[in-house]
Amino acid sequence: KNEVEQSPQNLTAQEGEFITINCSYSVGISALHWLQQHPGGGIVSLFMLSSGKKKHGRLIATINIQEKHSSLHITASHPRDSAVYICAVSALNTDKLIFGTGTRLQVFP
Amino acid sequence: ETGVTQSPTHLIKTRGQQVTLRCSSQSGHNTVSWYQQALGQGPQFIFQYYREEENGRGNFPPRFSGLQFPNYSSELNVNALELDDSALYLCASRAGLNTEAFFGQGTRLTVV
Repeated sequence: KNEVEQSPQNLTAQEGEFITINCSYSVGISALHWLQQHPGGGIVSLFMLSSGKKKHGRLIATINIQEKHSSLHITASHPRDSAVYICAVSALNTDKLIFGTGTRLQVFP
Repeated sequence: ETGVTQSPTHLIKTRGQQVTLRCSSQSGHNTVSWYQQALGQGPQFIFQYYREEENGRGNFPPRFSGLQFPNYSSELNVNALELDDSALYLCASRAGLNTEAFFGQGTRLTVV
């Protein structure tokens, strides 16, 4: 079992839909990261959070430390949101990043 | 633009050869980590350097080695390349432990 699990693995949406991607982890963490990876490989950091909720534009990230669960929400999705979204955690004692396998999102016009 | 650059962007090597991949971090970022991402998979942690010392390593053999330099650049060296080493190699730099990570665009290595 992976230490960081994401669901769903693949997600298809129509433009304008509300999207939720889930992440569960089984290790102690100091922070959780949501990352976006476009074709070609480059990874962009969307959020780093250790408690509560953060919002940036149409993106919202929440984390529940007790349940070891985080969600990434995209409101009013757009085709340019199409990418792979990766959840990663900073392991508590080593600070190394442990990645989930990603959620491939495709938003159609 | 993350301020982290990797070179080269693409590379083809033959099995058994050695390769050096480079990463230039943001100024002031004293933590750099390297990851291997196979096709369709999430990145896997190779190792991390903090102030030029290795301070964490994943499940990779010793033929994967690295260096971090005082000018915030770093290298990943892989000896005796194997076909399974074909992957996207990513570096990420941070201002310190438990801070936001900034990723380079990656180097896509193909071993034939």
